[in-house]
Amino acid sequence: TQLLEQSPQFLSIQEGENLTVYCNSSSVFSSLQWYRQEPGEGPVLLVTVVTGGEVKKLKRLTFQFGDARKDSSLHITAAQPGDTGLYLCAGMFSGTYKYIFGTGTRLKVLA
Amino acid sequence: DTAVSQTPKYLVTQMGNDKSIKCEQNLGHDTMYWYKQDSKKFLKIMFSYNNKELIINETVPNRFSPKSPDKAHLNLHINSLELGDSAVYFCASSRIAYEQYFGPGTRLTVT
Repeated sequence: TQLLEQSPQFLSIQEGENLTVYCNSSSVFSSLQWYRQEPGEGPVLLVTVVTGGEVKKLKRLTFQFGDARKDSSLHITAAQPGDTGLYLCAGMFSGTYKYIFGTGTRLKVLA
Repeated sequence: DTAVSQTPKYLVTQMGNDKSIKCEQNLGHDTMYWYKQDSKKFLKIMFSYNNKELIINETVPNRFSPKSPDKAHLNLHINSLELGDSAVYFCASSRIAYEQYFGPGTRLTVT
């Protein structure tokens, strides 16, 4: 069974702190996406990474794809209360058309 | 303009009833999906349609039947509802298989 494990599962931090969320699998991704979901809403696509070692930045968010394309990380600099939400990685494994979501990381940023 | 819309937003019904959830997208995407998100926020794909044809059908009870009258619509009908069907159901669409746009979700509560 192909799984996407995210860590940590929960994270509560103060405004201004930095944090990193990890997404790991034992299988290779053909591509990987990060989404953010706010309460009562659907997930919203943040970024897609495709190439091993790729780094993408979205304002204070930095996304990195592992060299072997089996893992990814999301780093948030100077977190703000507006960053609060559920962060989900998702990917399509190489050689399949099956799209799988990670276990999720619930982030709460306190003012 | 709402890109992916779902109705109803909330659905409360009794065990044994039959209910439907409707989804529409105005993004011009060819592929649409139904996902189920459980109480632990785990998001799992149920069905995927491409150009009105079923391409993914995960292990879902046959009480769940998707119907796609055209590329812009994908409805989900559920027969003989059970307590375990209580969850949030999300519709999504995509042009590229791995970048998905989600609706706001339908919270189904079976009593």
